[in-house]
Amino acid sequence: KAGVTQTPRYLIKTRGQQVTLSCSPISGHRSVSWYQQTPGQGLQFLFEYFSETQRNKGNFPGRFSGRQFSNSRSEMNVSTLELGDSALYLCASSLNWGSSGEAFFGQGTRLTVV
Amino acid sequence: AQTVTQSQPEMSVQEAETVTLSCTYDTSESDYYLFWYKQPPSRQMILVIRQEAYKQQNATENRFSVNFQKAAKSFSLKISDSQLGDAAMYFCAYRSLNTGNQFYFGTGTSLTVIP
Repeated sequence: KAGVTQTPRYLIKTRGQQVTLSCSPISGHRSVSWYQQTPGQGLQFLFEYFSETQRNKGNFPGRFSGRQFSNSRSEMNVSTLELGDSALYLCASSLNWGSSGEAFFGQGTRLTVV
Repeated sequence: AQTVTQSQPEMSVQEAETVTLSCTYDTSESDYYLFWYKQPPSRQMILVIRQEAYKQQNATENRFSVNFQKAAKSFSLKISDSQLGDAAMYFCAYRSLNTGNQFYFGTGTSLTVIP
């Protein structure tokens, strides 16, 4: 069974640009969550999607957005990039919303904003 | 909001010895889940162990066990017979029953295993 796949693995962007990251969850999993990991702020929850609907949202500006497709794949978009957006972005896959199981994480996308 | 605190930024242990990583959390909820995740240099978060708050029995997974003290809101991880492959960043995490799959993570403990 394939794990959680995040693409691309590395990304370098310029301030002011926008970026789209992709996450394919484990087959059969319907919930996808996104986290930002930085040395200063640690792991912070961005949002969760389930059945193509955003169910939870963390405390991030509106420049951070996401969506989920009918096959459960998810994308997150960051517009008007800032230097502070440089981070490791992790995607987590869960069977259902609020399920008792754990979340399975991808290897992340390392975004560098220059 | 729930908070998770890991007060040990770094720990080290001799190979084959035992080490305990500390975690405390703050919540007003009575039912929730607690987790320990491991993040090696490959960056992928790997589940080490999980505990349901309604269970009094401490969870155990092979060499990994927890000491869950609900009243004290403490959730420590004990690694027995430490191996070189245990070297990683360890994160304690809390998940409510009411907010889907949103995890609240601690700041992590970097574990070094000395051969």
